[in-house]
Amino acid sequence: NAGVTQTPKFQVLKTGQSMTLQCAQDMNHEYMSWYRQDPGMGLRLIHYSVGAGITDQGEVPNGYNVSRSTTEDFPLRLLSAAPSQTSVYFCASSYQTGPYEQYFGPGTRLTVT
Amino acid sequence: EDKVVQSPLSLVVHEGDTVTLNCSYEVTNFRSLLWYKQEKKAPTFLFMLTSSGIEKKSGRLSSILDKKELFSILNITATQTGDSAVYLCAVPPRGAQKLVFGQGTRLTINP
Repeated sequence: NAGVTQTPKFQVLKTGQSMTLQCAQDMNHEYMSWYRQDPGMGLRLIHYSVGAGITDQGEVPNGYNVSRSTTEDFPLRLLSAAPSQTSVYFCASSYQTGPYEQYFGPGTRLTVT
Repeated sequence: EDKVVQSPLSLVVHEGDTVTLNCSYEVTNFRSLLWYKQEKKAPTFLFMLTSSGIEKKSGRLSSILDKKELFSILNITATQTGDSAVYLCAVPPRGAQKLVFGQGTRLTINP
């Protein structure tokens, strides 16, 4: 099992550009989520999904879109990048329809200039 | 508002010392508390404490949950340089399918 994979590892964007962060898991997990991590602020939930076709907002959803067309994939789209979105982004998944024992991907470090 | 607060935010000790990390929480209808260790990349799961399992131990790491006082502690004995990491505490509020994380404690073990 590859576990949770994320691409790219690093990305630099200019303000106003859009992009998609990819996340995939091969553990047949129903629950998937996206977090951002900023210094001194721990992990904050952006969006999550409890199964294919079902998504919901977390604490900091503004400026981000998600979709879940398959169990395996959960891409995060930045619509119009802003410097405030400079952060490290983690995708996570768990077996149960809930957040227990989440398995995290390696992260994507995004810089918006 | 659901809240998880960790202390201290940063801790530097010498190898061999014992450390205690704290996590206090205010969430609606508590059901569990999770500890994660984050080295350079992704957080990795350490323990989950619930109403029916308020104490966990794995090697030099142990954790207890005090549901009355709404906190948990993570103890690491005989620390090693490999214990250097950010330790995160998280709680899922009942009825909300998400985790609320604390800010993390950055632990540095000096040789």
